Amino acid sequence: AQKITQTQPGMFVQEKEAVTLDCTYDTSDQSYGLFWYKQPSSGEMIFLIYQGSYDEQNATEGRYSLNFQKARKSANLVISASQLGDSAMYFCAMREGLPTGQNFVFGPGTRLSVLP
Amino acid sequence: DAGVIQSPRHEVTEMGQEVTLRCKPISGHDYLFWYRQTMMRGLELLIYFNNNVPIDDSGMPEDRFSAKMPNASFSTLKIQPSEPRDSAVYFCASSPTENYGYTFGSGTRLTVV
Repeated sequence: AQKITQTQPGMFVQEKEAVTLDCTYDTSDQSYGLFWYKQPSSGEMIFLIYQGSYDEQNATEGRYSLNFQKARKSANLVISASQLGDSAMYFCAMREGLPTGQNFVFGPGTRLSVLP
Repeated sequence: DAGVIQSPRHEVTEMGQEVTLRCKPISGHDYLFWYRQTMMRGLELLIYFNNNVPIDDSGMPEDRFSAKMPNASFSTLKIQPSEPRDSAVYFCASSPTENYGYTFGSGTRLTVV
């Protein structure tokens, strides 16, 4: 079974609008972390945001926020005020068995295209 | 800090040749990871090290692949002999023990013809 599911292979959003990228996960661990990475066309992997399973508040980093719904096992990324430079692949990932667990699994990714 | 440094950025080689990819992790990071990214399989963990010791190499495709970490500041991933299906982007990443996120290098794009 897939540990990380990203159901949107591709998304389009108009510049300056908000967009939500979906991510659901599967784990039986109590302590885990959820991550989002951005991969622009240049190929590097850029860390965006982190949410711990015990964090009660949703994580935010600038224009990025993570809509964490633990009971639903979802960790959606919200990008506010989209910019052309946000066009990229976005990967949701999970690290189980924190703090020492090193089982780090990536989802298949969502390709976001921001339209001018 | 310069981040995780990988070399070369691009490598084109002929089938059957030996290929060596290099990685310098961030100083002080105890964990080092090698990932492979392809269109078909996405990001796959190949192997990771903790304090220079290989911990889990279950993701290494076959005996043609080997990885070493002779010291805390250097790791290699070697493919011998290389095959066209090894063509992919290979990422190295490192992580400090108490942190939860990885820092990735820029990747090495390997093409085997």
